[in-house]
Amino acid sequence: AQSVAQPEDQVNVAEGNPLTVKCTYSVSGNPYLFWYVQYPNRGLQFLLKYITGDNLVKGSYGFEAEFNKSQTSFHLKKPSALVSDSALYFCAVRDGGSYIPTFGRGTSLIVHP
Amino acid sequence: DTEVTQTPKHLVMGMTNKKSLKCEQHMGHRAMYWYKQKAKKPPELMFVYSYEKLSINESVPSRFSPECPNSSLLNLHLHALQPEDSALYLCASSQRNEGPGELFFGEGSRLTVL
Repeated sequence: AQSVAQPEDQVNVAEGNPLTVKCTYSVSGNPYLFWYVQYPNRGLQFLLKYITGDNLVKGSYGFEAEFNKSQTSFHLKKPSALVSDSALYFCAVRDGGSYIPTFGRGTSLIVHP
Repeated sequence: DTEVTQTPKHLVMGMTNKKSLKCEQHMGHRAMYWYKQKAKKPPELMFVYSYEKLSINESVPSRFSPECPNSSLLNLHLHALQPEDSALYLCASSQRNEGPGELFFGEGSRLTVL
């Protein structure tokens, strides 16, 4: 079984400040972890993924995520937030034996000018 | 720009109508997916086609009928829908149906059932 939790419905951050969007997961095997972003009235866009190797993964638009096996977390981060980063962010997990990802409930990121 | 194209972008239909949503990808992906998404909620899986064969059907009502004419095309036929079926319908594809491949989503078809 696989599951993912995004504990925050909404994250507010001022433009220029660092941002973190949290994600924890549970899988029976090795996890494949993903972050997607959804802007209003658009489809989901892939940001980055962790498969194996380096715990720090870099992705699109200056985002990065840190894989922490002991804490079963995969938090999304960005050093300096932009107003244009305001969107809905989904964490997703799939284990090696499943080809269907499980999505978290989503976190709405609001970046204030 | 997305490489998964969905048409139409918007659709309004009555409960007795028959309509179809279409999806196309030219990335050579062999797995294609239909998701339903309500506002500010995660996408819910409806169907998965793997190598043009239906491999997953998440107990979706029969008023939704998927079709995969070839490896690049995916349709969702709609008939006798209910107002609660109003949602954003997302098509996605992935390189394979196993392993670490990410999903590529289309922009969605926003369906309103009157």
